Amino acid sequence: AQKITQTQPGMFVQEKEAVTLDCTYDTSDQSYGLFWYKQPSSGEMIFLIYQGSYDEQNATEGRYSLNFQKARKSANLVISASQLGDSAMYFCAMRGGEAAGNKLTFGGGTRVLVKP
Amino acid sequence: GAVVSQHPSWVICKSGTSVKIECRSLDFQATTMFWYRQFPKQSLMLMATSNEGSKATYEQGVEKDKFLINHASLTLSTLTVTSAHPEDSSFYICSALKSLTRNNEQFFGPGTRLTVL
Repeated sequence: AQKITQTQPGMFVQEKEAVTLDCTYDTSDQSYGLFWYKQPSSGEMIFLIYQGSYDEQNATEGRYSLNFQKARKSANLVISASQLGDSAMYFCAMRGGEAAGNKLTFGGGTRVLVKP
Repeated sequence: GAVVSQHPSWVICKSGTSVKIECRSLDFQATTMFWYRQFPKQSLMLMATSNEGSKATYEQGVEKDKFLINHASLTLSTLTVTSAHPEDSSFYICSALKSLTRNNEQFFGPGTRLTVL
């Protein structure tokens, strides 16, 4: 079974500063994928960044970077230069292999509030 | 791009009635779609996997007779909440799996907010 844990229910961050959102996972699969999504108050799920279990380099997408530590089973999201529009819920998710039906398992989420 | 739509975006119904929610992949074909439910201040919970041309696969604890899923075409899956009750009030989100992408990415619909009175 797959499990995703986000230990920070909520965080404040000052505008223009960086913030790190924690995510740890547990799986017996050798091949898996890790995702981060942003969910603003409107409810839509916005894909931010992806890290494959075999990717040797940490993923980066603009202001988002993923600190992937495979041995520790962690996949923390770093948002640099926070903006007011970054205020939202953030979910870490894991997808197992095709044998697992490509299903996504989500963590409990972290609410980020960016202060001006 | 990959766009997924849901209809309706919100619905209010009386207890005991049935509600149908549509999920469409607008610019790609999706043999697999997923239905999630999200209660306020909680995470997304997978309800079922919808496969075109075959029966849906439900997660443990999800009543298949209450949440009917039909994936009749490669671009449309429907979720029908039968005999809805107030405890079914939730945010329902679908996603469509776009094959042959690097990460087998799921593209999410905007969600449907169901309120049962």
